Amino acid sequence: GAVVSQHPSRVICKSGTSVKIECRSLDFQATTMFWYRQFPKQSLMLMATSNEGSKATYEQGVEKDKFLINHASLTLSTLTVTSAHPEDSSFYICSATGTVAGKQETQYFGPGTRLLVL
Amino acid sequence: AQSVTQLGSHVSVSEGALVLLRCNYSSSVPPYLFWYVQYPNQGLQLLLKYTSAATLVKGINGFEAEFKKSETSFHLTKPSAHMSDAAEYFCAVSVAQAGTALIFGKGTTLSVSS
Repeated sequence: GAVVSQHPSRVICKSGTSVKIECRSLDFQATTMFWYRQFPKQSLMLMATSNEGSKATYEQGVEKDKFLINHASLTLSTLTVTSAHPEDSSFYICSATGTVAGKQETQYFGPGTRLLVL
Repeated sequence: AQSVTQLGSHVSVSEGALVLLRCNYSSSVPPYLFWYVQYPNQGLQLLLKYTSAATLVKGINGFEAEFKKSETSFHLTKPSAHMSDAAEYFCAVSVAQAGTALIFGKGTTLSVSS
């Protein structure tokens, strides 16, 4: 099946720094990518939806100036956590959906990025 | 609006026993339903999905789920649990098979004892 990668898999940073997380679709063109956040022992919560070439749509309560999303190409979306604070520590997971051989595909999830802000 | 309720945050079974993980949904439109499995510190892997083609859906690793509209349920079952099935399981609902975000339940941790 389709593969989605995330980089880095784990990052530790100091409070106040910015962290960029990449999400790549490796074998299909992802017209839409989703960013989810998962706190320990909790479910995944949608943060934002990004469509290639347009601005991301953020869910209520998610600060768009803090979580910058760029979907500049059909295979890459980035999430930048600006001025990260300890409460931003979480597991960030992206998913991608697009067309493969002309057929709309189910979302494929990346392996996630563990962010720890000290 | 859509929502998913997973009954039981933790289910424990013995190896070889039946696995039953419960999921009820709420949707104002015909739903698309999914079950995902997550191993520690990993992303989600799709087990199976319901897309209105058949009410009994067979997935990977011997799992299956039955869509029951009258009960608004989509419970996940496996006849015989393996130790390797121990993981977190999420039920999710969407308004489309693809291209739209998923609404996840809170998850059920499955423990399998020998």
